[in-house]
Amino acid sequence: AQSVSQHNHHVILSEAASLELGCNYSYGGTVNLFWYVQYPGQHLQLLLKYFSGDPLVKGIKGFEAEFIKSKFSFNLRKPSVQWSDTAEYFCAVNSAFSGNTPLVFGKGTRLSVIA
Amino acid sequence: NAGVTQTPKFQVLKTGQSMTLQCAQDMNHNSMYWYRQDPGMGLRLIYYSASEGTTDKGEVPNGYNVSRLNKREFSLRLESAAPSQTSVYFCASSRDRLTDTQYFGPGTRLTVL
Repeated sequence: AQSVSQHNHHVILSEAASLELGCNYSYGGTVNLFWYVQYPGQHLQLLLKYFSGDPLVKGIKGFEAEFIKSKFSFNLRKPSVQWSDTAEYFCAVNSAFSGNTPLVFGKGTRLSVIA
Repeated sequence: NAGVTQTPKFQVLKTGQSMTLQCAQDMNHNSMYWYRQDPGMGLRLIYYSASEGTTDKGEVPNGYNVSRLNKREFSLRLESAAPSQTSVYFCASSRDRLTDTQYFGPGTRLTVL
């Protein structure tokens, strides 16, 4: 069965610091990869997704993620975080070729940005 | 467009009671989902409906039933609530395939005493 690991449970950064959140998955075939974000008091929403092509994907609010197939990773990055980036971030994956299969989510990483 | 709506927002039940969580979407989406979110556990899929008239089990279906009432509505029923079902429940929908962007509702916070 597929699984997704987000190794950082809680990350605390100062404003303007650079961010990298780890995401590793356990499926050996072709995958679709996603990052979702949940801001305090808001709905979960899509940050970015990768299906194929350029492994460096750009999303909303200055976020990007890089798919490294050899490392089974899809890490989320942002060069300079803002207080408004405080949120919980979820990585998700599903198989690209096993039919219409639902996403498997990681356990999430809580990001706290302090002034 | 309201997007995905869920009712109720909060609910407290006693062990053994039953209840139904309602979800509706106005985006004409084919696929709908029910997740639960627990601290340190992330989002876990309970059931999903890839299209109207079909439902499938997700990762944690035990203790739950679902009904895809029509294209818009997807309800989740707890027949005999247990304290282990204390959680925040999210409904989501996506346009067609399960890889399409999912749009989430605001959640229902359920406490089972």
